[in-house]
Amino acid sequence: NAGVTQTPKFRVLKTGQSMTLLCAQDMNHEYMYWYRQDPGMGLRLIHYSVGEGTTAKGEVPDGYNVSRLKKQNFLLGLESAAPSQTSVYFCASSPTQGEGAFFGQGTRLTVV
Amino acid sequence: GEDVEQSLFLSVREGDSSVINCTYTDSSSTYLYWYKQEPGAGLQLLTYIFSNMDMKQDQRLTVLLNKKDKHLSLRIADTQTGDSAIYFCAETRGFQKLVFGTGTRLLVSP
Repeated sequence: NAGVTQTPKFRVLKTGQSMTLLCAQDMNHEYMYWYRQDPGMGLRLIHYSVGEGTTAKGEVPDGYNVSRLKKQNFLLGLESAAPSQTSVYFCASSPTQGEGAFFGQGTRLTVV
Repeated sequence: GEDVEQSLFLSVREGDSSVINCTYTDSSSTYLYWYKQEPGAGLQLLTYIFSNMDMKQDQRLTVLLNKKDKHLSLRIADTQTGDSAIYFCAETRGFQKLVFGTGTRLLVSP
């Protein structure tokens, strides 16, 4: 049982480049989330999804796009990377609101 | 305010009790959570409390909820060096969004 898997684990981008982070869960969860973690700021919600084909903005959505074409996958895209997007990105999924979320191991992204 | 607030740092000696505090924002949050993050790892769900409860105990962990003050606390009894980590509280905002606090770094010294 893999749980929540994020790829890649590390990436270095140049300013202006684009990339997609992939999150896959094998638990048939409805809810999926993308967070970024920065020192002293905890986890901030970027976008989330409450089911296949749906997405919604979180607290810090600017500069990011997401898609949930399949229930098990939640993709986070950066169209034109900026140094301010240097961070550790976490994906999470949960079956319902009440049962808590399961997290992936994170993707460390550096934009130079 | 809009932020879920936690103190940044707590230091205790092995064997003592640790109390980590959190002030949340959404009075309609149905569930409130405590997560643990060890270095280089993702977050692990420790425990949660339903909003109609005042207290929940789970082995060494005790969660207290004061809905009037929107205050949540996590008490760890007999703290061990393996408990050293960052602890996050989280609330469900608007019934869908899971919003986290800034995290409290717990350091347990022998």
